[in-house]
Amino acid sequence: AQKITQTQPGMFVQEKEAVTLDCTYDTSDPSYGLFWYKQPSSGEMIFLIYQGSYDQQNATEGRYSLNFQKARKSANLVISASQLGDSAMYFCAMEYGNKLVFGAGTILRVKS
Amino acid sequence: NAGVTQTPKFQVLKTGQSMTLQCAQDMNHEYMSWYRQDPGMGLRLIHYSVGAGITDQGEVPNGYNVSRSTTEDFPLRLLSAAPSQTSVYFCASSYSTLKGLAQTQYFGPGTRLLVL
Repeated sequence: AQKITQTQPGMFVQEKEAVTLDCTYDTSDPSYGLFWYKQPSSGEMIFLIYQGSYDQQNATEGRYSLNFQKARKSANLVISASQLGDSAMYFCAMEYGNKLVFGAGTILRVKS
Repeated sequence: NAGVTQTPKFQVLKTGQSMTLQCAQDMNHEYMSWYRQDPGMGLRLIHYSVGAGITDQGEVPNGYNVSRSTTEDFPLRLLSAAPSQTSVYFCASSYSTLKGLAQTQYFGPGTRLLVL
């Protein structure tokens, strides 16, 4: 069965520094997708970045990058140059056949 | 282009009451789904649909019904609400997975439901 594990319930980072949010996954399917979503205090789910299991290069979207280590089954999110507006809950999710399974999330707080 | 819309934003029900959470999308997405989010947990899939007339169960389907008569709409029905259904409900849509390529799912703003 597919499973996502996020081991960091909460993280602090100083403004302008980089932070890594951990995500490990478990699946026996060779084809899958990995997503990161941001959920600010207002509650909406915002898509950040996507990595396909067959992608050779790590995905990047602006200040977000995904450190994809397939052999270790990890898909960590790296946020560079943190901003106060990055304070939110972050969810890692794995897609299989259009269905998403989510991790429990990591709360990130950016300090000024 | 409104994306994914959900109504109502908030709802309070008494145990045993029924209601329908509405979800609509204007992106012509084949795939639509419903998730619930409980405190301290990620989202969990309730039901999903890969196209009009086709629905299937997700991880936590008990107590919920769905139907998909049009591409745009995917309502979620609670037939007899229970306090355990107090949660935040999200609707999402995407293009169908094609040749093993995952498609980004876009979420509605959510509906907060309290069952007393």
